Amino acid sequence: GAVVSQHPSWVICKSGTSVKIECRSLDFQATTMFWYRQFPKQSLMLMATSNEGSKATYEQGVEKDKFLINHASLTLSTLTVTSAHPEDSSFYICSARDRTPYFGPGTRLLVL
Amino acid sequence: AQSVTQPDIHITVSEGASLELRCNYSYGATPYLFWYVQSPGQGLQLLLKYFSGDTLVQGIKGFEAEFKRSQSSFNLRKPSVHWSDAAEYFCAVGPGQAGTALIFGKGTTLSVSS
Repeated sequence: GAVVSQHPSWVICKSGTSVKIECRSLDFQATTMFWYRQFPKQSLMLMATSNEGSKATYEQGVEKDKFLINHASLTLSTLTVTSAHPEDSSFYICSARDRTPYFGPGTRLLVL
Repeated sequence: AQSVTQPDIHITVSEGASLELRCNYSYGATPYLFWYVQSPGQGLQLLLKYFSGDTLVQGIKGFEAEFKRSQSSFNLRKPSVHWSDAAEYFCAVGPGQAGTALIFGKGTTLSVSS
């Protein structure tokens, strides 16, 4: 099956710094990718839809200036958490789909 | 409103026993249905999917699911559970287009007792 990779798998940073997470579709081109956030023992919460060559679409309540999304190519989308704070600590998962949605392994972010 | 309901938050099954995880959906268009499994600290792995055709679909790891349109259900089953099946299971529904995200249920935690 198709594979979606994420990098890094986990990151620890100081409050106020920015963190970039990469999501790549390895064997298919993805015009659209999705970014989710998952809190412990909860389901996935869609944050934004990333569109290649255009602006991302953010879900209600998600700060677009806090979570910057860039979809630079058909195989790469990045999520940058700007001026991270402890409340941004979470598990972030990306997804890309051809007909079937595939998910990356996730990135654990801990902001101290 | 479009939604997915997984009525069981937590299920415990003895190793070797059968398993059924329930999933009901509300969706206005033709649903594409999915089951994913997530181990702690990991991403989601696709177990199986239903797009059309035979309503009983086979997946990986010995799982199967049956689509029942009249009941708006897509229940996941496994005849004999292994301890390694302990994980979080998510049912999801979405359209066929690649540009639209899935709608997820809240998940069911499966524990396997020996």
